[in-house]
Amino acid sequence: GAGVSQTPSNKVTEKGKYVELRCDPISGHTALYWYRQSLGQGPEFLIYFQGTGAADDSGLPNDRFFAVRPEGSVSTLKIQRTERGDSAVYLCASSPTGGTEAFFGQGTRLTVV
Amino acid sequence: AQTVTQSQPEMSVQEAETVTLSCTYDTSESDYYLFWYKQPPSRQMILVIRQEAYKQQNATENRFSVNFQKAAKSFSLKISDSQLGDAAMYFCAYKTSGSRLTFGEGTQLTVNP
Repeated sequence: GAGVSQTPSNKVTEKGKYVELRCDPISGHTALYWYRQSLGQGPEFLIYFQGTGAADDSGLPNDRFFAVRPEGSVSTLKIQRTERGDSAVYLCASSPTGGTEAFFGQGTRLTVV
Repeated sequence: AQTVTQSQPEMSVQEAETVTLSCTYDTSESDYYLFWYKQPPSRQMILVIRQEAYKQQNATENRFSVNFQKAAKSFSLKISDSQLGDAAMYFCAYKTSGSRLTFGEGTQLTVNP
């Protein structure tokens, strides 16, 4: 597809379970970002990849959160031992090399019950 | 740390009228970028307009224009001839080259027919 694709669109999980959220960026975009958006708030930065490596992971809230981008394209955000406070929309964005505009996916709404 | 503040949680405008959304930011950087994003209920962030800090001229995109006051660290969005499709959450955002976006809290815009 032409845009950033995120799957699943919605995910409901039980407290304590493990979840994976996937982001497929625009082809050729080297920069990839994950953000978390709680209800009624602006997105908050989680992690930024440049190629395969995490250039900035300072936004990850704790060690239950981890993200990978092994081949420099698709990225997976992994959350262990989910808590109700993890419920939010998780947004992914990508940018081309040297670009300043970020292109966003439609997000994954995670609900922890 | 950079911060972005949107002091208007909600705004409303009559169709065909003009509305201005406010945004202020705090940074010690001299070179940066400012953005306004629109987020409809579909959740996808859509870029409305962008401004490079080194440019004195205010950006304009059709019915959307900004008033960028660098010294005052102010970046407001003016929507002219408002349309029903403009109704959405609007986010002001800041970034420096090669870094993440920092978002404000958002302004919910309602357009009344």
